Amino acid sequence: LAKTTQPISMDSYEGQEVNITCSHNNIATNDYITWYQQFPSQGPRFIIQGYKTKVTNEVASLFIPADRKSSTLSLPRVSLSDTAVYYCLVGEDSSASKIIFGSGTRLSIRP
Amino acid sequence: DTGVSQDPRHKITKRGQNVTFRCDPISEHNRLYWYRQTLGQGPEFLTYFQNEAQLEKSRLLSDRFSAERPKGSFSTLEIQRTEQGDSAMYLCASREETGARTGELFFGEGSRLTVL
Repeated sequence: LAKTTQPISMDSYEGQEVNITCSHNNIATNDYITWYQQFPSQGPRFIIQGYKTKVTNEVASLFIPADRKSSTLSLPRVSLSDTAVYYCLVGEDSSASKIIFGSGTRLSIRP
Repeated sequence: DTGVSQDPRHKITKRGQNVTFRCDPISEHNRLYWYRQTLGQGPEFLTYFQNEAQLEKSRLLSDRFSAERPKGSFSTLEIQRTEQGDSAMYLCASREETGARTGELFFGEGSRLTVL
């Protein structure tokens, strides 16, 4: 399983765009990149998943460069409710049986 | 379908007692995972099932921990002779086996264990 590295914490303000970058230098050919969000006292919640280039859904965008050694989760116009821990995971279905979470990025949004 | 449900949500026990947590996954999901999470840390993988088969266990899962998934539906996680270090949130998640791509994990709200 590819190891991921993310910033421990980030701060931003309401209405700003927030970009959280994850490094995964040893990503394998079949690996997907998945991001989860976790609020206090809740289980993590899936945000977005991608393999290459750009993926966008109603919540976020995921940018993956051609070499796939990093990825950036982009949250547009954040609000206070986006304060949470964000986890970047890398793995491929058949081998990523034990889906491993890192320590995540603690995002704090201020008014 | 109401998602993944866990019971109880909170459990306070004395050291040395046994506790059991239950997880009811989303009905069509054949993979079920248990994680443990302590304050400020990400979820730590404990074990996972594909249907009723327990396919992998973490080294974190000592002999005091046992998990079952009879009939490939709900699962139980039992901790025997609890220790204060077992105090944590125990999270259950399920997902479909989707073949080539990594399926989304659906988590329950967790069961918080406090060992006094």
